[in-house]
Amino acid sequence: EAQVTQNPRYLITVTGKKLTVTCSQNMNHEYMSWYRQDPGLGLRQIYYSMNVEVTDKGDVPEGYKVSRKEKRNFPLILESPSPNQTSLYFCASSTRLAGGYEQYFGPGTRLTVT
Amino acid sequence: AQSVTQLDSHVSVSEGTPVLLRCNYSSSYSPSLFWYVQHPNKGLQLLLKYTSAATLVKGINGFEAEFKKSETSFHLTKPSAHMSDAAEYFCVVSFNFGNEKLTFGTGTRLTIIP
Repeated sequence: EAQVTQNPRYLITVTGKKLTVTCSQNMNHEYMSWYRQDPGLGLRQIYYSMNVEVTDKGDVPEGYKVSRKEKRNFPLILESPSPNQTSLYFCASSTRLAGGYEQYFGPGTRLTVT
Repeated sequence: AQSVTQLDSHVSVSEGTPVLLRCNYSSSYSPSLFWYVQHPNKGLQLLLKYTSAATLVKGINGFEAEFKKSETSFHLTKPSAHMSDAAEYFCVVSFNFGNEKLTFGTGTRLTIIP
């Protein structure tokens, strides 16, 4: 089954404790992206990657890191989480973005930072 | 720059009556436009997309949207609401070339009254 998987689905952590949210897709997509969803703000892009070893900042990259060492994986790293990073996070993948290709979304990771 | 405005944060309709969710966009170039749906505690699913072909686009579950360039609008409609349509809906814009970025609207929560 074609899918995007994220782990963990739920995470409660404390300020300053490094964490990684994994994302993997099995569709051989080149394009992957991370979003955060906050009430009243819709989805905002954190980082995206157009291929292996190619990443770029989205709209809200502060406090986050990413890497793309393999085509299928795109982990999101919070080196020192803070309470304002409490949010619902989505990973997505696509063949391309330009030209109207659909993005496939993971199920989401709900992160709480206390 | 591109932007998306969803004109209603919350819409309530009675079961069996028409649904209208409004979306206006701003884009310097020819856009691709999408509607995604998010059911409670789920990821995002593509409803339909416009990519410069037919201006009236049909999607899943009886939804459709019409691209009106003169009004810079891409409103989502359904003739008869069903209880299972209760969800949050996002209008999304991207360029047709070059920029690999999606811009999300802030979402419209659709409530169906029995």
